[in-house]
Amino acid sequence: DAGVIQSPRHEVTEMGQEVTLRCKPISGHDYLFWYRQTMMRGLELLIYFNNNVPIDDSGMPEDRFSAKMPNASFSTLKIQPSEPRDSAVYFCASSNRGLSSNQPQHFGDGTRLSIL
Amino acid sequence: GEDVEQSLFLSVREGDSSVINCTYTDSSSTYLYWYKQEPGAGLQLLTYIFSNMDMKQDQRLTVLLNKKDKHLSLRIADTQTGDSAIYFCAEITGSQGNLIFGKGTKLSVKP
Repeated sequence: DAGVIQSPRHEVTEMGQEVTLRCKPISGHDYLFWYRQTMMRGLELLIYFNNNVPIDDSGMPEDRFSAKMPNASFSTLKIQPSEPRDSAVYFCASSNRGLSSNQPQHFGDGTRLSIL
Repeated sequence: GEDVEQSLFLSVREGDSSVINCTYTDSSSTYLYWYKQEPGAGLQLLTYIFSNMDMKQDQRLTVLLNKKDKHLSLRIADTQTGDSAIYFCAEITGSQGNLIFGKGTKLSVKP
C-alpha cells in the first residue's frame, strides 16, 4: 500500500523563482495537510483540506503561498516569488477521519527546499 | 494560546531507558500523540493515548499522562541505536481541532 507521495524530494532554486511542491495522498483519505518544518519554528501547519476543499489556511505565511487540491489524489503548494526564508522541509500528510480522532496522520517523506 | 513544549535533546547509552517529556496547554485535548522522525524521512506515528487514560504500554514503549499537570512522557525501554531519531509530542486542540506539535526531542543513542 503506497504511502503519501511527495515530489520533488529536493529542490534548489534561486530567489524570485516559482516553486511548486506536489503531493499524492493515500487513496481513500479525505483530509490533506501541508506542514513546514524549520529548526527555528519546528513543525507548522500551513493549510488543510477536507474533500478537496480548503478548511483552514490561517497558517499560510503570506500571499506568496498558495495551495490547491483539484481532485482527491493530488495537491500542490506553490510559492511565488520564492525567498531565502522559505527554505525548509515541506511535508504533506493525509488522514481519513480528520483531526479529532485516533486515526493518525500519515506523512510523506517531505520536500527539502533551498532558496538561494 | 495552544503550545506544546519539549526538551530539545536527550542522550542515552544503548540498553538504558529513555524518557522524553512533554507539556501541553489545552486541557480539552482528546488525544495526545508521539511521532518519530528518522533522518530524511517524514513523521511516523509511534503511539497515542486517549485523554481519559493515564498509562499505555506497547512493547518497549510506555506512555504516561498526567492530565492534572498536562504532562506527557514517552519511555523507551532497552533503547537501541535504531531508536535514534527526533520524537514529537502532539496534541489536538479543542478550540481549532488542529494537531499542534512540539519542536521535537532529538534522541541520541550511544553504543
